[in-house]
Amino acid sequence: GAVVSQHPSWVICKSGTSVKIECRSLDFQATTMFWYRQFPKQSLMLMATSNEGSKATYEQGVEKDKFLINHASLTLSTLTVTSAHPEDSSFYICSARDFDSPSEKLFFGSGTQLSVL
Amino acid sequence: GQQVMQIPQYQHVQEGEDFTTYCNSSTTLSNIQWYKQRPGGHPVFLIQLVKSGEVKKQKRLTFQFGEAKKNSSLHITATQTTDVGTYFCAARPYGGSQGNLIFGKGTKLSVKP
Repeated sequence: GAVVSQHPSWVICKSGTSVKIECRSLDFQATTMFWYRQFPKQSLMLMATSNEGSKATYEQGVEKDKFLINHASLTLSTLTVTSAHPEDSSFYICSARDFDSPSEKLFFGSGTQLSVL
Repeated sequence: GQQVMQIPQYQHVQEGEDFTTYCNSSTTLSNIQWYKQRPGGHPVFLIQLVKSGEVKKQKRLTFQFGEAKKNSSLHITATQTTDVGTYFCAARPYGGSQGNLIFGKGTKLSVKP
């Protein structure tokens, strides 16, 4: 089945540094990928929609200069948390839909736990 | 913005008991999907419902989509410890973009052996 690989699984960084998270679709093309944030015991909050070859679409309240998204190829999207602060600590997870499939089901990455000290 | 209400937030059952989680939207939906997230894991797709009044079964799991396409339910018969996890509904509003889903808050199921 379709697999989405997300890396790294966890990262600890100092306040003020930037962190890059990668999301790859391993066996299908994904013109669109989605980035979410999940707080403990809460639901997935859509942050942005990553579009291959164009600018990402950010949800209301999400700072685009804070969370930089790049979708340079049909199989890779990256999320960079710039100048991270402790309040950015969270579980970040991506998902992708198989462009060639009529199904709308999403395949999720395994997530990245970010801890900012 | 649009929301999908999901209840209950938590459900504790004895193994063998049934379990149901419900999702409701104030607006008509194009389709609704269900996902399961095991503790420490990522959401995994279970099913997609598209048609009004649709009912689909997967072994002990029964999924329903309301006639008005505004609500949905997931019912598990005779729960097992392997059913433990959080179940999310994810809805695409009518006219919304494909893949851009609104997730419910999830129902966390715990099963006591």
